[in-house]
Amino acid sequence: GQQVMQIPQYQHVQEGEDFTTYCNSSTTLSNIQWYKQRPGGHPVFLIQLVKSGEVKKQKRLTFQFGEAKKNSSLHITATQTTDVGTYFCAGDNAGNMLTFGGGTRLMVKP
Amino acid sequence: NAGVTQTPKFQVLKTGQSMTLQCAQDMNHEYMSWYRQDPGMGLRLIHYSVGAGITDQGEVPNGYNVSRSTTEDFPLRLLSAAPSQTSVYFCASSYSSGTGELFFGEGSRLTVL
Repeated sequence: GQQVMQIPQYQHVQEGEDFTTYCNSSTTLSNIQWYKQRPGGHPVFLIQLVKSGEVKKQKRLTFQFGEAKKNSSLHITATQTTDVGTYFCAGDNAGNMLTFGGGTRLMVKP
Repeated sequence: NAGVTQTPKFQVLKTGQSMTLQCAQDMNHEYMSWYRQDPGMGLRLIHYSVGAGITDQGEVPNGYNVSRSTTEDFPLRLLSAAPSQTSVYFCASSYSSGTGELFFGEGSRLTVL
């Protein structure tokens, strides 16, 4: 079955430093989604990427979808304490099932 | 709109007991799903439904049953709870299918002793 791997599992950064999490799928995806889960909370949708090579920005967050549509990344510029949480990618291979990566837990030291 | 509502938020069961986790959404979403979240393993799909009367298995369906008699409700049943089912369970819905933005409930934390 489809597998989605995400690295790193954990990341500690100093406030103001940049952060990147990477997502790799074992199969070609029709689209990829990113979610953020605050500690003790539930996942909240951030964005969906559909096109090969697509890049989207949301303020300090930059999302990329690889040319082969098998990998993706989320980059946060100048992290803030409000960025703390776990970031998940979720891949869709054109079925009715989203497969989630294991998540990257971001911790920010003020 | 309340969005996706899950009950109960917390539950402790003994091995072998049965229970139902309730999920309701008021967004008229066709697609509903149940995930379990375990440390370091992300979210794993248990069962999903693309509309009333239609359900299908996800990655980890064993030990769980679902039904979808209405668009709004999608209960998850544990027939005979096992310690391996200790987890946080999330219900999620989407407008059309699993390929759209998922709206999650707040989660149900289940402990099986």
